[in-house]
Amino acid sequence: GEDVEQSLFLSVREGDSSVINCTYTDSSSTYLYWYKQEPGAGLQLLTYIFSNMDMKQDQRLTVLLNKKDKHLSLRIADTQTGDSAIYFCAEKSNFGNEKLTFGTGTRLTIIP
Amino acid sequence: ETGVTQTPRHLVMGMTNKKSLKCEQHLGHNAMYWYKQSAKKPLELMFVYNFKEQTENNSVPSRFSPECPNSSHLFLHLHTLQPEDSALYLCASSQDEREIDTQYFGPGTRLTVL
Repeated sequence: GEDVEQSLFLSVREGDSSVINCTYTDSSSTYLYWYKQEPGAGLQLLTYIFSNMDMKQDQRLTVLLNKKDKHLSLRIADTQTGDSAIYFCAEKSNFGNEKLTFGTGTRLTIIP
Repeated sequence: ETGVTQTPRHLVMGMTNKKSLKCEQHLGHNAMYWYKQSAKKPLELMFVYNFKEQTENNSVPSRFSPECPNSSHLFLHLHTLQPEDSALYLCASSQDEREIDTQYFGPGTRLTVL
């Protein structure tokens, strides 16, 4: 089946950029997503990218997609303490099954 | 506050107990989902209901029994659980199951099985 992999942990100093990486196996992915889960809360859709794009920017967030290597990244510029959360990568395939495949989540810790 | 509430927020149960998790959405959505979030494992979709009909059962053991009496409420009935079932159980909803990527999540129920 489809697989989505992420590192479990990332620590970044406040003010630096955070880069969270994700790899996936499904070559028929149509959309790829980043979700944010703050402490004590459910997941919230942060941003997404269509598979025919290679970059999407939204304020402090930049999503990069390398479709050849099946690699997705989320860059958060000027990381703040409020960015502390678990970030989930997810993909949706093109087989008519509207299911999302999620990764393990990456826990981002901000160092003051 | 996402419009999806879950109760209880925390639950501790023994392996022989029977308990239920409740999810309620106030968004007028027609699809509801149960997910299992375990440490160091991918977020796992368990069940999908669309217009009160179950459309997905992702090979979940029968000790987990979902119930969707109407589009606003979703339950997960638990019985004879195992310690490895300890996890955060998340409920989500979306307009319908084709819009799964715009689902709204509840805060989850942290379940501990002793």
